[in-house]
Amino acid sequence: KAGVTQTPRYLIKTRGQQVTLSCSPISGHRSVSWYQQTPGQGLQFLFEYFSETQRNKGNFPGRFSGRQFSNSRSEMNVSTLELGDSALYLCASSSGGSGGEKLFFGSGTQLSVL
Amino acid sequence: AQKVTQAQTEISVVEKEDVTLDCVYETRDTTYYLFWYKQPPSGELVFLIRRNSFDEQNEISGRYSWNFQKSTSSFNFTITASQVVDSAVYFCALSEARRAQKLVFGQGTRLTINP
Repeated sequence: KAGVTQTPRYLIKTRGQQVTLSCSPISGHRSVSWYQQTPGQGLQFLFEYFSETQRNKGNFPGRFSGRQFSNSRSEMNVSTLELGDSALYLCASSSGGSGGEKLFFGSGTQLSVL
Repeated sequence: AQKVTQAQTEISVVEKEDVTLDCVYETRDTTYYLFWYKQPPSGELVFLIRRNSFDEQNEISGRYSWNFQKSTSSFNFTITASQVVDSAVYFCALSEARRAQKLVFGQGTRLTINP
C-alpha cells in the first residue's frame, strides 16, 4: 500500500508570491491534515479536510488555505508569502474517524521563502 | 487549552544505554489521547504508540516502553539498550476525542545515539 505522497519535496519562492502544495493520501483515507513545522514554533496544526470539507482549523491567517478533491487528494495554498512561512509542511492522512486515530505522515514539502 | 511539554531538547547517549524521554501534558478534557511519533532525517513522522486517557497500563514493545501516569500528567518513553538507528527526533502529542486529527505536539527531543 503506497504511503502519503507530498509534492514537491522542495520549493523556493520569494516574498509576495503564492505557492501550492499537494498531498495524496493513502488509498481509502478520507481525511487529510496539514501541519507546519518550524524550528521556532515546532509542529503546528493548520487544518483538516474530510470528504472535501474543512472540518478543523488551526490558528493561522487567512493566507493559508486548502481544499480537498473528490479522490481525497488535497492541496494547500499560501498567498502573499512572508519570510516566516519558510517551513516544512507535513501532510497526514487517516480514515477520518474520531478517538485517537493514528495519522500517517508524508515526508513533507520544504518551503524556503527568500 | 491543551499543551504538551518535552523538557529535554537534546539527549546524547552511548549505544546500549537506556534512555527516557519525558513528556508532560495539560488538558481539561476527560477523554483524550496521547501519542509518540518519531521523525527520522527523511522528515516523515512515524507513529510509535497511542494511549487513551482511560488506559493507564504501561506498554512494552520490544526495546520500547511507555509509562502513562494521569496523576502527574506524564507519558514518558523509554528505550532500552539503545541503538544507533534510534537516533531521531521524538515527539509527544495530544488530541481531543472529537478532533482526532488535530494533534498538539511537544517541541520534540532530539536523540543521538553514539556508537
